Amino acid sequence: AQKVTQAQTEISVVEKEDVTLDCVYETRDTTYYLFWYKQPPSGELVFLIRRNSFDEQNEISGRYSWNFQKSTSSFNFTITASQVVDSAVYFCALSEPSGGSYIPTFGRGTSLIVHP
Amino acid sequence: GAVVSQHPSWVICKSGTSVKIECRSLDFQATTMFWYRQFPKQSLMLMATSNEGSKATYEQGVEKDKFLINHASLTLSTLTVTSAHPEDSSFYICSANRQNHYEQYFGPGTRLTVT
Repeated sequence: AQKVTQAQTEISVVEKEDVTLDCVYETRDTTYYLFWYKQPPSGELVFLIRRNSFDEQNEISGRYSWNFQKSTSSFNFTITASQVVDSAVYFCALSEPSGGSYIPTFGRGTSLIVHP
Repeated sequence: GAVVSQHPSWVICKSGTSVKIECRSLDFQATTMFWYRQFPKQSLMLMATSNEGSKATYEQGVEKDKFLINHASLTLSTLTVTSAHPEDSSFYICSANRQNHYEQYFGPGTRLTVT
């Protein structure tokens, strides 16, 4: 079973539309971390946000916002007023403790295409 | 912020040759480093976890004799793809973190093409 599920393989929107990328995770640990990364065509992962399991407060950063709900094990990511530069693959990741380290497990990624 | 570099950023080699990829933590000591492989349009798959001074722990299905990992210092880990074949062509990404620290710092990746 997947620990991190990103059900949306590809999303296509027109510029200025709002778009939500879904992420559902599975863990038995009480302490864990959730991440979102952006991977543009260049390949380098761009860190977007980190959330620990004890902090369910939603966060907004410019056009980006995240909704963390432990009750549904979800950590969804919304881009408001999308722009062409937002086109990329977005990965959700779960980090669980293991032998003194935290090893992340990545979802399959959602490819976002924003058309002008 | 913590910076992780990888070298080379891309490499083309002939089938049967070996290729070494370096991963360095530039401004912190990385007790643990991770190596990932990413095929086109797919997710990052963890290949192995390496701790400084000890043998790497490989994920199931990853050939340890083919993908040699050395973590000789707290700032350097290397991945050597031995006797590379075209199916080894992929994007290899390393990451590093400090002991008991959740934050992962990713390198920019190395694109390997085996002809």
